[in-house]
Parts: sequence; structure tokens; C-alpha cells
Amino acid sequence: RKEVEQDPGPFNVPEGATVAFNCTYSNSASQSFFWYRQDCRKEPKLLMSVYSSGNEDGRFTAQLNRASQYISLLIRDSKLSDSATYLCVVNGHSGNTPLVFGKGTRLSVIA
Amino acid sequence: DVKVTQSSRYLVKRTGEKVFLECVQDMDHENMFWYRQDPGLGLRLIYFSYDVKMKEKGDIPEGYSVSREKKERFSLILESASTNQTSMYLCASSPGSYERYFGPGTRLTVT
Repeated sequence: RKEVEQDPGPFNVPEGATVAFNCTYSNSASQSFFWYRQDCRKEPKLLMSVYSSGNEDGRFTAQLNRASQYISLLIRDSKLSDSATYLCVVNGHSGNTPLVFGKGTRLSVIA
Repeated sequence: DVKVTQSSRYLVKRTGEKVFLECVQDMDHENMFWYRQDPGLGLRLIYFSYDVKMKEKGDIPEGYSVSREKKERFSLILESASTNQTSMYLCASSPGSYERYFGPGTRLTVT
């Protein structure tokens, strides 16, 4: 099983739609989880951290399921500007272990 | 705002040339990283450094070396460039183990 797995997409959704991405991770000792966003030909940027209790930032909701080892990102009321690749990121099992990046899920929001 | 700069956005080199990619961060971060990103393969860690003059191999260090003589600067060196090193190279810095601040990337083409 790969360390971090994501559906590569692309997800093509109309404006205003709700879309959800899932990501699975293999290291059950992972403690920290993130979603990064990468626009075309740009660098990745942190979108949000994922907390055990789940967290929300405007139209974005992130959830963690430790038992099943997956995290999710829900985007409500999609905007054209949400079109990007979303990277699932998980830390290693110790404080100094580098982050492990998923390959990303591509989202295209269509007018 | 954290700023991570990379010496070139685009670079074209010939096979066998020695290539230096420079990265500078202005936030006094201890940790710095070099990744390459290729279609279908995602972000892969080449080398990282947790302190001046320290370096650790990442997942794909072969064909690369690094130098960190000053805290703010982390250099990636391709001793003898090969065509399979054509890629997007991303530098990142981090104040701790987690969040990464990426530079804009250098698109290297080796002919």
C-alpha cells in the first residue's frame, strides 16, 4: 500500500456544486494531516490542517478518520477559482520525519 | 510573509553539465527541503536539512548533492546532469516539522 493515496481525478464539476476528495494513508502512527492546494504551474500552498475533531474554513471542511486511515476535503458551493490540484499530506511517525505528499487530485470547476 | 526564492524559474542545460539550483528563505527557518515534481509521480523528496551544514537523504537522492553553508541558503547540485533529471524542482522551508513554504520552482530541462 502506498503511503498516501489519492484519486488523481480529474473531477469536473459545475459552479455551485459540492465536491469531496478522499485520501488514504498507510502509517497508522501518523499524527498530522494537511491539505495543500497547487494551482497550475505554481507552487503548493497550505490550504488547511486537518484536526481530529474535523475543522471548517469557510466553504472548506476537512475530516479525519483514524480508524480507517483516511482524510477528506469537502468543498461546498464550488467557484471557478477553486480549480486546482489538491494534495493530501501526512507526516511521518516521528517529529523529524518529513511530510509525505500524495500525488494530488485535480479539480476543474466549470461555468 | 514568508518568502522563499529560487535562483531561476527556467533553466536549460546540456547533458553532463554541473548544475546549481539556489534557494534562499528569509524567515530564519531551520528546515529546508528540495523536491522534484513530475507528472504522475507527484512531489518527491530529494534532500533535506535541519541545520546549517547538516543534510539528510530523501527518497531519491541519487545523482544529486546539497550544500547548506548558511541558514538561509540551501543549494541543490546536479554533478553531471542527465536527461532524466528534467523536472520541476521545488525548494521549501519550514519552521518546524510540518508546514512547508515553497518557492516558485525551477523548471529544468536537460538536453
